[in-house]
Amino acid sequence: AQTVTQSQPEMSVQEAETVTLSCTYDTSESDYYLFWYKQPPSRQMILVIRQEAYKQQNATENRFSVNFQKAAKSFSLKISDSQLGDAAMYFCAYRSPQGAQKLVFGQGTRLTINP
Amino acid sequence: DVKVTQSSRYLVKRTGEKVFLECVQDMDHENMFWYRQDPGLGLRLIYFSYDVKMKEKGDIPEGYSVSREKKERFSLILESASTNQTSMYLCASRPGTSGNEQFFGPGTRLTVL
Repeated sequence: AQTVTQSQPEMSVQEAETVTLSCTYDTSESDYYLFWYKQPPSRQMILVIRQEAYKQQNATENRFSVNFQKAAKSFSLKISDSQLGDAAMYFCAYRSPQGAQKLVFGQGTRLTINP
Repeated sequence: DVKVTQSSRYLVKRTGEKVFLECVQDMDHENMFWYRQDPGLGLRLIYFSYDVKMKEKGDIPEGYSVSREKKERFSLILESASTNQTSMYLCASRPGTSGNEQFFGPGTRLTVL
């Protein structure tokens, strides 16, 4: 069974600075999807960014980018120019292309933005 | 925009009560999911459904059941609520044949006294 680990329960960063959230996963599959989801306080969870394992190029979405290291099974999220609205719980998730295609989530990292 | 709604944001129930949590999506998605979210544990899958009247157990199905009589609606049932089922419950939906993003509802925070 696949597992996802986020080893940083909490992180904080100064507004306008850059922060990196870590995620590692364990799988025996060669093809899969990885996601970062954001859950703002009292608001709905939304997708931040996704990466297909067969793509070597790291995904980017505006100020959000990932560092995908397939051999190391690492999938970190970098947030550049942090803004107050980035404060949230961030979840890393894995999805197999096979079977039920369910998401396996990490424990989450609570990100605080200091003004 | 895809919209996933849940019947209640906050719910307080007594031990032993039967509890229904409702989820509705408006985008004709085949797949629907129920998760519970607990601090330090992330989201854990309770049940999911890939079609009407079809359901499969997730990682923590004990104490729960589900119902999907219509494509847009997926209900989570706690047959006899217990205090260890106090949690945040999140519903999600996803298209079956295209796209791979799950869309989440706002969540229901359930407290069992």
